[in-house]
Amino acid sequence: DQQVKQNSPSLSVQEGRISILNCDYTNSMFDYFLWYKKYPAEGPTFLISISSIKDKNEDGRFTVFLNKSAKHLSLHIVPSQPGDSAVYFCAVRFQGGSEKLVFGKGTKLTVNP
Amino acid sequence: DVKVTQSSRYLVKRTGEKVFLECVQDMDHENMFWYRQDPGLGLRLIYFSYDVKMKEKGDIPEGYSVSREKKERFSLILESASTNQTSMYLCASSFGSVNYEQYFGPGTRLTVT
Repeated sequence: DQQVKQNSPSLSVQEGRISILNCDYTNSMFDYFLWYKKYPAEGPTFLISISSIKDKNEDGRFTVFLNKSAKHLSLHIVPSQPGDSAVYFCAVRFQGGSEKLVFGKGTKLTVNP
Repeated sequence: DVKVTQSSRYLVKRTGEKVFLECVQDMDHENMFWYRQDPGLGLRLIYFSYDVKMKEKGDIPEGYSVSREKKERFSLILESASTNQTSMYLCASSFGSVNYEQYFGPGTRLTVT
């Protein structure tokens, strides 16, 4: 059973508009949440993260929101740029567990010029 | 900058061959990980290591083994390659207990024919 779900396999937005990528998780014992970006033929690169004690973290054009009651995580990109076109993975860590992360299946974002 | 390198970007092997994938990190990280990425399935953890000679199974360890004789190097071994092991293999490392961020290598595209 999937513990981390990214229900939208793909998303297409216009340059300059907002991109919103979503992630749902099932276990309230997850305590750390991360977003990664992956270009074709490259390894994923870390984008932004948030601890369960916070509900928002911002880094430039990227903002992550955490809604613990809904077990929902979202990544906002404003404004979107064509270079943001990539696959985005959310990842979660189990509280008190090891260093392992559980990844979602990814959402492919396309930003059209 | 953290650097994670993988021995090959592309590899073609025959069914039944023993395959070695090598990963080296230069940041003195405690933890190292092997994932495979398949379309529609996201990143799935095969094995990880939290110290030299220490390892733990991930979600899909069947058909794979690992070796970590030195802190900086983590090897993935396919004992007898099969066509269903054709995939993108990604190595990652992390310092641990800081922000859980994992740094990924560029990946090895393995094709088993």
